[in-house]
Amino acid sequence: GAGVSQSPSNKVTEKGKDVELRCDPISGHTALYWYRQSLGQGLEFLIYFQGNSAPDKSGLPSDRFSAERTGGSVSTLTIQRTQQEDSAVYLCASSSSGEPGAFGSGTRLTVV
Amino acid sequence: EDQVTQSPEALRLQEGESSSLNCSYTVSGLRGLFWYRQDPGKGPEFLFTLYSAGEEKEKERLKATLTKKESFLHITAPKPEDSATYLCAVQVGRSQGNLIFGKGTKLSVKP
Repeated sequence: GAGVSQSPSNKVTEKGKDVELRCDPISGHTALYWYRQSLGQGLEFLIYFQGNSAPDKSGLPSDRFSAERTGGSVSTLTIQRTQQEDSAVYLCASSSSGEPGAFGSGTRLTVV
Repeated sequence: EDQVTQSPEALRLQEGESSSLNCSYTVSGLRGLFWYRQDPGKGPEFLFTLYSAGEEKEKERLKATLTKKESFLHITAPKPEDSATYLCAVQVGRSQGNLIFGKGTKLSVKP
């Protein structure tokens, strides 16, 4: 079946603009994760959704970052008033069990 | 502070030359250790989960082992298609999604 789908694959935005990144998880997966990967750095946890439980938002770097998961499926990561340090690859993963098992190919965000 | 360190940063092997990648961790209360493979321009691909010291997992030419301070990913008789960046991550809290990743080891296997 289809894997985790992320859109857009690339996004260039001006500093100060808001951006929305979309993730379509594998159908039936109850867990959904967002990470970001900056050049030369390891993956950094952002947020974790599991079923109907309150999400774990402990990795969001500032209040400019937020995420929603509608109907237990599609998720949107929103970054408001983007800064140059937000430039990174944003990765989404989903899972039917514990660990993030299936990752999308990511959205490469460039803030100019 | 919880930390995951992978070594070496890069490794070049000849096809058939076996070797090991290291992932050392200093964390308070390990709940699980994960290995992933990442190809350029792609998201990580899950390989293994290890939960307790002494545990081993195998898949084709790869074998992962775990001690109380580190994990090894052994690659036996590698092929060029094994070339990728290998990532190690640990779960330390109750949140299953909150993983701490190392920076990875970039493996190149030459024919």
